[in-house]
Order: sequence, then C-alpha cells, then structure tokens
Amino acid sequence: GNSVTQMEGPVTLSEEAFLTINCTYTATGYPSLFWYVQYPGEGLQLLLKATKADDKGSNKGFEATYRKETTSFHLEKGSVQVSDSAVYFCALVYGGATNKLIFGTGTLLAVQP
Amino acid sequence: NAGVTQTPKFQVLKTGQSMTLQCAQDMNHEYMSWYRQDPGMGLRLIHYSVGAGITDQGEVPNGYNVSRSTTEDFPLRLLSAAPSQTSVYFCASSPPPGGAEYGYTFGSGTRLTVV
Repeated sequence: GNSVTQMEGPVTLSEEAFLTINCTYTATGYPSLFWYVQYPGEGLQLLLKATKADDKGSNKGFEATYRKETTSFHLEKGSVQVSDSAVYFCALVYGGATNKLIFGTGTLLAVQP
Repeated sequence: NAGVTQTPKFQVLKTGQSMTLQCAQDMNHEYMSWYRQDPGMGLRLIHYSVGAGITDQGEVPNGYNVSRSTTEDFPLRLLSAAPSQTSVYFCASSPPPGGAEYGYTFGSGTRLTVV
C-alpha cells in the first residue's frame, strides 16, 4: 500500500548547522508530496510541497526535491535556527477524488544555541 | 480569521462517556478529514468527507462516527469513550480539487484524555 517512511529522531543540531531529514515513499502512480511542520503546542502547518517529479518545493529556507527514481523527498536547510525546533512530517496525497493524506511518523528537530 | 476551528481544545472523559469534537471551516473547502496523533505513530486518518452528505472511513475508524450535513461542519463523535482513544485529534480541510495541489489546512487540535 501507500506509505511514507522518515528518519527517526530526535535530531539535535547546533544553530547554523546543515539539516537533512530523510523521507522516502511507496505509492502507486504519482503522488503529491508535502512537508508539514508542527511547533510545540500547535497544529500542523504546510511547509512546502511538490506535485510532480523533479519539482523542488521551498519555503523559509527549507527545500525538498521530488525524486521519482529514488522515491524520496528529503528536507534540507543550509543553516538552522533555534526557532526551527519543531516536529517535521513528510506526507503524500494519493487517490484522485478521495485525496487521502498519508503521514510519516514525524521527526523531532531540536536546535541548540 | 479564516481557517479551521476546533472545539474544545482540551477534554477529559470517563470511560464509557460520549462526546462530540467540533470542527468548522469558513473557506468553502469540500474536503474535510479527522486525524489522531499518537507518539511514534504520526497522524492516522480516522474519517474523511469529499463533500456535504458524503463520508468514508479512514485507517482507524472504529469507535468513531462522523456526519457532514453542511460544507462548513464535520463533527467527530465518540459514542463510548475508551482509554485507547486518548490522543490529540486534528481536523483538516482542503479546497477542490483536493489536497494534491494545495495540501490541507489543519485546526489547532483537541487533546482528549479518557480515564
């Protein structure tokens, strides 16, 4: 079936370090891919998205490229800040009219000053 | 402010009690869904709706009922609460043609504890 696998956390980095959070997916057809972010005590916010192969989503310094050949959508940021501390979820949408959103288990990022 | 509104934010229930979690959106979104978030398991889909009068089951529907009488509202009912339903619940919505292009807008969540 359709699923998303992302690296387990927590990921602990110092401020200004480079961030990579790995995400791979299994899906029939060509899903759309998303990264969501959840700050402490809040709901989920859409961080970025990509709807077809080779698309690059970007927002707030974060980037992810839809790689069909490796079925991956890794999240990267060149220089993290303390304010980036949050849980990051990789997700996909499939299913045409039903548009079910399938999530990975989430990765906690903790950035230390 | 436009968005998805969930009430209540916190709730404690005794085993066997019933309650309804409310979800409303003012963006005229056709797609709405309910998720539960549990540690180490991410978010799992409970029920979803592709429009008023149409609902379907997600990954973990047992113990929950939904209805969609209007475009704006999508309540989630727990008929007889169990400790296994202790979780954080999120409602989400998306415009047509669906989440593939726009992603989903999430509410701020309801933290439910069943004792």
